[in-house]
Amino acid sequence: EPEVTQTPSHQVTQMGQEVILRCVPISNHLYFYWYRQILGQKVEFLVSFYNNEISEKSEIFDDQFSVERPDGSNFTLKIRSTKLEDSAMYFCASSEAGRGSTDTQYFGPGTRLTVL
Amino acid sequence: DAKTTQPTSMDCAEGRAANLPCNHSTISGNEYVYWYRQIHSQGPQYIIHGLKNNETNEMASLIITEDRKSSTLILPHATLRDTAVYYCIVRVYSGAGSYQLTFGKGTKLSVIP
Repeated sequence: EPEVTQTPSHQVTQMGQEVILRCVPISNHLYFYWYRQILGQKVEFLVSFYNNEISEKSEIFDDQFSVERPDGSNFTLKIRSTKLEDSAMYFCASSEAGRGSTDTQYFGPGTRLTVL
Repeated sequence: DAKTTQPTSMDCAEGRAANLPCNHSTISGNEYVYWYRQIHSQGPQYIIHGLKNNETNEMASLIITEDRKSSTLILPHATLRDTAVYYCIVRVYSGAGSYQLTFGKGTKLSVIP
């Protein structure tokens, strides 16, 4: 069964460093998403991406964040200068289409980002 | 955005049916009800969704009331592996073809041996 994959599973970085989190969405999916979950808190939406551009973003997704689809398979989330409060689980998701009843989002296993 | 209300926690005996309720009294006519679950800190796992008819798949059944103001997720024979946080989500359509899922705190289901 196709699934969303994410690498690395755990990333440790120093405050102020740049990190890139990688995701491989399900191959025939067109919409891509990033969510995050700070330990003990809710899963929060960050951004959605379609046709090589951002469709929607939350207020969490400020200028420190960027997303990119560098090739036909990868979808990345970059944090330019990490802060302690960026420590969280980051989940990538993808869906086949934005309209209709089949546009279910499927999530990857997550990357645990720890900022020291 | 339609909001959902779920009990904070529930227990269920292994092998019995787990019935997880959700209230969504402000749901609008074109909003779907989705259920996901999260086992420990893993990625949310899709379970089932519906608009107004009852739905069943290999994981669960979804019963939506006729007025659509509430729904119940049913796990017919709960196992220890079903211990997780279960999220009832009403889908927000952003109008751009994509949509964000708004997660609440969900119901922590504990399946007891």
